[in-house]
Amino acid sequence: AQTVTQSQPEMSVQEAETVTLSCTYDTSESDYYLFWYKQPPSRQMILVIRQEAYKQQNATENRFSVNFQKAAKSFSLKISDSQLGDAAMYFCAYRSARTNAGKSTFGDGTTLTVKP
Amino acid sequence: NAGVMQNPRHLVRRRGQEARLRCSPMKGHSHVYWYRQLPEEGLKFMVYLQKENIIDESGMPKERFSAEFPKEGPSILRIQQVVRGDSAAYFCASSPRHYEQYFGPGTRLTVT
Repeated sequence: AQTVTQSQPEMSVQEAETVTLSCTYDTSESDYYLFWYKQPPSRQMILVIRQEAYKQQNATENRFSVNFQKAAKSFSLKISDSQLGDAAMYFCAYRSARTNAGKSTFGDGTTLTVKP
Repeated sequence: NAGVMQNPRHLVRRRGQEARLRCSPMKGHSHVYWYRQLPEEGLKFMVYLQKENIIDESGMPKERFSAEFPKEGPSILRIQQVVRGDSAAYFCASSPRHYEQYFGPGTRLTVT
Protein backbone atom coordinates (compact mmCIF):
# COMPACT_ATOMS: atom_id res chain seq x y z
CA ALA A 1 0.00 0.00 0.00
CA GLN A 2 1.12 3.52 -0.69
CA THR A 3 2.00 5.84 2.17
CA VAL A 4 2.63 9.57 2.28
CA THR A 5 4.65 11.18 5.04
CA GLN A 6 4.87 14.85 5.93
CA SER A 7 7.48 15.13 8.64
CA GLN A 8 6.84 18.79 9.52
CA PRO A 9 3.61 19.22 11.51
CA GLU A 10 4.16 23.00 11.63
CA MET A 11 6.21 25.52 9.71
CA SER A 12 6.43 29.29 9.82
CA VAL A 13 7.76 31.85 7.38
CA GLN A 14 8.17 35.59 7.30
CA GLU A 15 6.05 37.42 4.78
CA ALA A 16 7.85 37.80 1.42
CA GLU A 17 10.32 35.03 2.21
CA THR A 18 10.57 31.49 0.89
CA VAL A 19 9.56 28.29 2.63
CA THR A 20 9.82 24.62 1.66
CA LEU A 21 7.43 21.94 2.84
CA SER A 22 8.63 18.34 2.76
CA CYS A 23 6.84 15.21 1.59
CA THR A 24 8.04 11.68 1.05
CA TYR A 25 6.04 8.75 -0.22
CA ASP A 26 6.38 5.04 -0.65
CA THR A 27 5.14 3.11 -3.65
CA SER A 28 6.12 0.18 -5.82
CA GLU A 29 4.45 1.71 -8.86
CA SER A 30 6.27 3.61 -11.59
CA ASP A 31 3.39 5.69 -12.94
CA TYR A 32 1.50 7.96 -10.59
CA TYR A 33 0.55 11.54 -9.77
CA LEU A 34 1.51 13.73 -6.85
CA PHE A 35 -0.40 16.73 -5.58
CA TRP A 36 -0.18 19.51 -3.06
CA TYR A 37 -3.46 20.77 -1.62
CA LYS A 38 -4.07 23.81 0.53
CA GLN A 39 -6.73 23.78 3.24
CA PRO A 40 -7.43 27.24 4.72
CA PRO A 41 -9.61 27.72 7.81
CA SER A 42 -12.68 27.45 5.59
CA ARG A 43 -11.64 23.77 5.18
CA GLN A 44 -12.08 23.89 1.41
CA MET A 45 -9.46 21.70 -0.27
CA ILE A 46 -7.72 23.70 -2.98
CA LEU A 47 -5.40 22.09 -5.50
CA VAL A 48 -2.12 24.01 -5.51
CA ILE A 49 0.03 22.02 -7.90
CA ARG A 50 0.33 18.57 -9.47
CA GLN A 51 3.16 16.51 -10.87
CA GLU A 52 3.02 13.54 -13.21
CA ALA A 53 5.68 10.99 -12.29
CA TYR A 54 6.67 10.40 -15.90
CA LYS A 55 7.66 14.04 -16.28
CA GLN A 56 11.19 14.92 -15.23
CA GLN A 57 10.52 18.64 -15.26
CA ASN A 58 9.37 20.06 -11.95
CA ALA A 59 5.91 21.62 -11.99
CA THR A 60 5.50 25.33 -11.26
CA GLU A 61 2.44 27.48 -10.68
CA ASN A 62 3.27 31.14 -10.15
CA ARG A 63 4.89 31.36 -6.69
CA PHE A 64 4.56 27.62 -6.07
CA SER A 65 7.04 25.07 -7.35
CA VAL A 66 7.98 21.52 -6.51
CA ASN A 67 11.21 19.59 -6.24
CA PHE A 68 10.33 16.11 -7.45
CA GLN A 69 12.99 13.48 -6.82
CA LYS A 70 11.54 10.22 -8.13
CA ALA A 71 14.39 7.96 -7.07
CA ALA A 72 14.32 9.37 -3.55
CA LYS A 73 10.50 9.39 -3.54
CA SER A 74 10.51 12.97 -2.40
CA PHE A 75 8.11 15.74 -3.42
CA SER A 76 8.68 19.06 -1.67
CA LEU A 77 6.73 22.27 -2.18
CA LYS A 78 8.46 25.64 -2.34
CA ILE A 79 6.46 28.80 -1.77
CA SER A 80 8.25 31.94 -2.86
CA ASP A 81 7.43 35.49 -1.79
CA SER A 82 5.10 34.17 0.91
CA GLN A 83 1.88 36.08 1.48
CA LEU A 84 -0.45 36.23 4.46
CA GLY A 85 -3.06 34.41 2.40
CA ASP A 86 -0.75 31.42 2.10
CA ALA A 87 -1.35 30.58 5.75
CA ALA A 88 -3.15 27.25 5.77
CA MET A 89 -2.73 23.53 6.21
CA TYR A 90 -0.94 21.92 3.29
CA PHE A 91 -1.42 18.30 2.30
CA CYS A 92 0.69 16.19 0.02
CA ALA A 93 -1.20 13.47 -1.85
CA TYR A 94 -0.38 10.47 -4.04
CA ARG A 95 -2.57 8.85 -6.66
CA SER A 96 -1.85 5.85 -8.84
CA ALA A 97 -2.12 6.27 -12.60
CA ARG A 98 -3.70 2.83 -12.99
CA THR A 99 -7.14 2.99 -14.53
CA ASN A 100 -9.83 3.00 -11.85
CA ALA A 101 -7.21 3.31 -9.11
CA GLY A 102 -9.45 6.06 -7.79
CA LYS A 103 -8.30 7.00 -4.37
CA SER A 104 -5.74 9.54 -3.32
CA THR A 105 -3.56 8.90 -0.29
CA PHE A 106 -2.89 11.97 1.84
CA GLY A 107 -0.21 12.88 4.34
CA ASP A 108 -1.19 14.23 7.74
CA GLY A 109 -0.49 17.81 6.71
CA THR A 110 1.77 20.73 7.57
CA THR A 111 0.34 23.84 9.17
CA LEU A 112 1.97 26.91 7.65
CA THR A 113 1.99 30.18 9.55
CA VAL A 114 2.96 33.39 7.74
CA LYS A 115 4.29 36.16 9.97
CA PRO A 116 3.78 39.78 8.89
CA ASN B 1 -19.30 25.75 -14.16
CA ALA B 2 -20.34 25.31 -10.55
CA GLY B 3 -17.95 23.41 -8.34
CA VAL B 4 -18.63 20.27 -6.37
CA MET B 5 -21.61 20.87 -4.10
CA GLN B 6 -22.12 19.24 -0.75
CA ASN B 7 -25.02 19.56 1.60
CA PRO B 8 -25.62 20.06 4.32
CA ARG B 9 -22.48 21.93 5.32
CA HIS B 10 -23.09 21.17 8.96
CA LEU B 11 -25.08 18.27 10.36
CA VAL B 12 -25.82 17.47 13.98
CA ARG B 13 -27.14 14.06 14.90
CA ARG B 14 -27.78 12.31 18.19
CA ARG B 15 -26.22 8.93 18.79
CA GLY B 16 -28.26 6.23 17.07
CA GLN B 17 -29.72 8.47 14.36
CA GLU B 18 -28.98 8.28 10.65
CA ALA B 19 -26.87 10.79 8.74
CA ARG B 20 -27.26 11.36 5.01
CA LEU B 21 -24.64 13.41 3.24
CA ARG B 22 -25.14 14.57 -0.33
CA CYS B 23 -22.66 15.35 -3.06
CA SER B 24 -23.37 16.80 -6.49
CA PRO B 25 -20.31 16.46 -8.73
CA MET B 26 -19.20 19.07 -11.19
CA LYS B 27 -21.05 19.04 -14.48
CA GLY B 28 -19.67 16.36 -16.77
CA HIS B 29 -17.90 14.46 -13.98
CA SER B 30 -18.88 10.84 -13.62
CA HIS B 31 -16.41 9.81 -10.90
CA VAL B 32 -17.12 10.55 -7.23
CA TYR B 33 -14.95 9.93 -4.17
CA TRP B 34 -15.68 10.26 -0.48
CA TYR B 35 -13.05 11.04 2.14
CA ARG B 36 -13.21 11.50 5.90
CA GLN B 37 -11.06 13.94 7.86
CA LEU B 38 -10.70 13.60 11.61
CA PRO B 39 -9.41 16.62 13.57
CA GLU B 40 -5.72 17.36 12.99
CA GLU B 41 -5.44 14.57 10.43
CA GLY B 42 -5.29 14.22 6.68
CA LEU B 43 -8.08 12.96 4.48
CA LYS B 44 -8.70 9.23 4.52
CA PHE B 45 -10.25 7.57 1.48
CA MET B 46 -13.59 5.88 1.97
CA VAL B 47 -15.18 4.97 -1.35
CA TYR B 48 -14.94 5.57 -5.11
CA LEU B 49 -18.05 5.43 -7.27
CA GLN B 50 -18.99 5.86 -10.88
CA LYS B 51 -22.58 6.19 -12.01
CA GLU B 52 -24.53 3.28 -10.49
CA ASN B 53 -21.33 1.41 -9.59
CA ILE B 54 -19.09 1.13 -6.57
CA ILE B 55 -15.54 0.83 -7.90
CA ASP B 56 -13.54 0.73 -4.66
CA GLU B 57 -14.95 0.68 -1.16
CA SER B 58 -11.79 -0.47 0.59
CA GLY B 59 -11.87 2.49 2.98
CA MET B 60 -15.46 2.08 4.10
CA PRO B 61 -16.15 0.70 7.56
CA LYS B 62 -17.78 -2.69 7.23
CA GLU B 63 -20.90 -1.77 9.14
CA ARG B 64 -23.28 1.19 9.24
CA PHE B 65 -21.74 3.00 6.24
CA SER B 66 -23.01 2.85 2.67
CA ALA B 67 -22.69 4.96 -0.45
CA GLU B 68 -24.47 5.25 -3.74
CA PHE B 69 -24.25 7.30 -6.92
CA PRO B 70 -27.49 6.79 -8.84
CA LYS B 71 -28.02 7.42 -12.51
CA GLU B 72 -29.89 10.58 -11.63
CA GLY B 73 -29.25 12.81 -8.66
CA PRO B 74 -26.44 13.31 -6.19
CA SER B 75 -24.17 10.79 -4.57
CA ILE B 76 -25.25 9.89 -1.04
CA LEU B 77 -23.10 8.77 1.87
CA ARG B 78 -25.29 7.20 4.52
CA ILE B 79 -24.25 6.49 8.08
CA GLN B 80 -26.69 4.50 10.15
CA GLN B 81 -26.84 4.51 13.96
CA VAL B 82 -24.17 7.17 14.28
CA VAL B 83 -21.71 7.11 17.17
CA ARG B 84 -19.50 9.87 18.57
CA GLY B 85 -16.52 8.51 16.68
CA ASP B 86 -18.27 9.32 13.39
CA SER B 87 -17.88 13.04 14.13
CA ALA B 88 -15.63 14.35 11.37
CA ALA B 89 -15.54 16.37 8.18
CA TYR B 90 -16.65 14.37 5.15
CA PHE B 91 -15.38 15.52 1.79
CA CYS B 92 -16.61 14.59 -1.63
CA ALA B 93 -14.49 14.96 -4.75
CA SER B 94 -15.30 14.46 -8.40
CA SER B 95 -13.28 14.04 -11.57
CA PRO B 96 -13.93 13.84 -15.29
CA ARG B 97 -11.18 11.27 -15.73
CA HIS B 98 -9.17 9.22 -13.41
CA TYR B 99 -6.52 11.49 -12.04
CA GLU B 100 -7.53 15.05 -11.16
CA GLN B 101 -9.98 15.42 -8.30
CA TYR B 102 -11.93 18.53 -7.41
CA PHE B 103 -13.14 18.79 -3.83
CA GLY B 104 -16.37 20.06 -2.38
CA PRO B 105 -16.49 22.25 0.75
CA GLY B 106 -17.18 19.30 3.03
CA THR B 107 -19.90 18.38 5.50
CA ARG B 108 -19.02 18.64 9.16
CA LEU B 109 -20.86 15.95 11.09
CA THR B 110 -21.23 16.32 14.83
CA VAL B 111 -22.67 13.47 16.86
CA THR B 112 -23.98 14.44 20.28
